Amino acid sequence: AQTVTQSQPEMSVQEAETVTLSCTYDTSENNYYLFWYKQPPSRQMILVIRQEAYKQQNATENRFSVNFQKAAKSFSLKISDSQLGDTAMYFCAFMRSSNNNDMRFGAGTRLTVKP
Amino acid sequence: KAGVTQTPRYLIKTRGQQVTLSCSPISGHRSVSWYQQTPGQGLQFLFEYFSETQRNKGNFPGRFSGRQFSNSRSEMNVSTLELGDSALYLCASRGGDPSTDTQYFGPGTRLTVL
Repeated sequence: AQTVTQSQPEMSVQEAETVTLSCTYDTSENNYYLFWYKQPPSRQMILVIRQEAYKQQNATENRFSVNFQKAAKSFSLKISDSQLGDTAMYFCAFMRSSNNNDMRFGAGTRLTVKP
Repeated sequence: KAGVTQTPRYLIKTRGQQVTLSCSPISGHRSVSWYQQTPGQGLQFLFEYFSETQRNKGNFPGRFSGRQFSNSRSEMNVSTLELGDSALYLCASRGGDPSTDTQYFGPGTRLTVL
């Protein structure tokens, strides 16, 4: 069974600084997808970034980038130039590449951006 | 395009009752998945429907069921409610191909069981 571990329940960062959220996962699959989702307080979950396991290049989306280490089964999220609006719960998620939408989520990291 | 919508947004029920939650996916999306989110267990996958058929199922008891209609709208039903069923129920939709599709979440239905 696939498991996703986020070892940092809470983190904080000063506005404009950089923060990295950690995620590790366990799977015997070779092809899969990894995601970071953001859930702001009392608001709906939105996709931050997505990574296909077969791609060696790390995904980036504006201020958000990942460090995908397939052999280490690690998938960290780096947020550069943190903004107050980045305050949210961040969930790391795993999904097999087969026609299967059983997405497994980590417990989440609560990020607070301080002014 | 309109996003994923869920109704109702809030619901209060008592133990033993049943409840039906509704989800309307983004237009053109054929896959609808349901998740339960609780402080203790986090986000857990309930099931996925694709073209009116249940394609995947998580580890939940048979009290949790769902269905999908020809217009891709989906309903989730929980029978004989228990206190532990209190949670935020999230619906997510995507086109159907995990290799290309992004999963979009709705705002959720917050169910409270008294």
